[in-house]
Formats: sequence, C-alpha cells, structure tokens
Amino acid sequence: SAVISQKPSRDICQRGTSLTIQCQVDSQVTMMFWYRQQPGQSLTLIATANQGSEATYESGFVIDKFPISRPNLTFSTLTVSNMSPEDSSIYLCSVRQGTPHNYGYTFGSGTRLTVV
Amino acid sequence: TQLLEQSPQFLSIQEGENLTVYCNSSSVFSSLQWYRQEPGEGPVLLVTVVTGGEVKKLKRLTFQFGDARKDSSLHITAAQPGDTGLYLCAPLPGMDSSYKLIFGSGTRLLVRP
Repeated sequence: SAVISQKPSRDICQRGTSLTIQCQVDSQVTMMFWYRQQPGQSLTLIATANQGSEATYESGFVIDKFPISRPNLTFSTLTVSNMSPEDSSIYLCSVRQGTPHNYGYTFGSGTRLTVV
Repeated sequence: TQLLEQSPQFLSIQEGENLTVYCNSSSVFSSLQWYRQEPGEGPVLLVTVVTGGEVKKLKRLTFQFGDARKDSSLHITAAQPGDTGLYLCAPLPGMDSSYKLIFGSGTRLLVRP
C-alpha cells in the first residue's frame, strides 16, 4: 500500500492566520481525500482533491475556508484559512488505490492543529 | 449526521476482559469495513465483510456482518492494552458514491493494564 507523508505533524497557530498542510504519496494515486477529526470524534470528510481541477467539497465545508490544491498524482495541500479556535482538530489525508474491483484506503498520520 | 451509529461511544475495561462493539444503520450495504486508529496515527484497515451473516476472525478479534447487511459487530476476546484505540466502521464506497469513505461515529476503547 501507499506510504503517505503529512507535514507538519502538529502546529500551534494564532487565530486569524492560515496554515497549509502537505500530503505527499510515494506512488501515483487516482483519488486523494482530506478529513477533519475534531477532539474525541470520528473522522469527517472535508473534500475530494481532484487532480487538475477544483476540489469537491462536502456539505458544511467551503473552498474559501479550506482551499485545496492537487497539482499532480502524488501531492496535495489543504489550507485552513482565517483560523479560529473551533478549527483546532486533526487533519488527515487519505488515498484510494487499487483496481476498480479491488481497492483500499490508506491514511496519513495526521496534522494536529491547535489554534490559540 | 453519521450514516452509521456505533455503540458504545466509549468503553474502558480491564486487561483480559471481553467486549463487543456495534455498528448499526437503517441502510443496507454491499460491504462494510472496520478500522482502528491508534493515538497519533491514521486509521488502519482491520477487515472487510461482504456477505450477510459472514464471520471473520483476526487473532482475538471476531467480526460479524448482519444477515440483512445493515449492521456489524466486533468482538474482542481477552483484551490487551495494545487494543486501545478508536474503532471505526464504514461502508466500502463504490463509484455511485464517488468512492468517498464515510465513517461511523466511532467507539473509543481503553484497555487498562
């Protein structure tokens, strides 16, 4: 399975600033996803990062707040913009890989964000 | 709103005890996956169940898919501190859902030594 490197692993940021999280995969993958995990909660899908086009956002998430880039098949970034303490969460990227009938999902270790 | 409700939300048990956690929905799924997330890591796939009534064993973990394919359970025998983590279920998505993996609400397990 793919190996995912996520950076930074953690950060403490001032409210009103922005943080860009990077997700690097060791092989080309067709689909990449970004999740948010609020303290003590399950994972919630933010968006699907589409290569060469705008990301597809889930209900409750908007591009102005969480702009996503995916310049190629191995790399994506998620920016958390104009942060507030409510954005304190773990942010994880994930990839889907395999054939159309035999596929799986791998996750990065996450970025733990604290907004003060 | 989670498509899949998991119970209990939190479980704290002593090493050596047995436990069962549940994953329930009103929807029918073609297949269901279980993941475990340890602190500081991303979720890792434990098993995929695909047939109604199916039982799969992974060492001390036993997974069952309901006959109607609407629910699943995970039973752990003689729990160990290494079993501590967040257990998540999710239906395996297909092209009709744009391959988006949507997790249940999760069960947080703490196994005390």
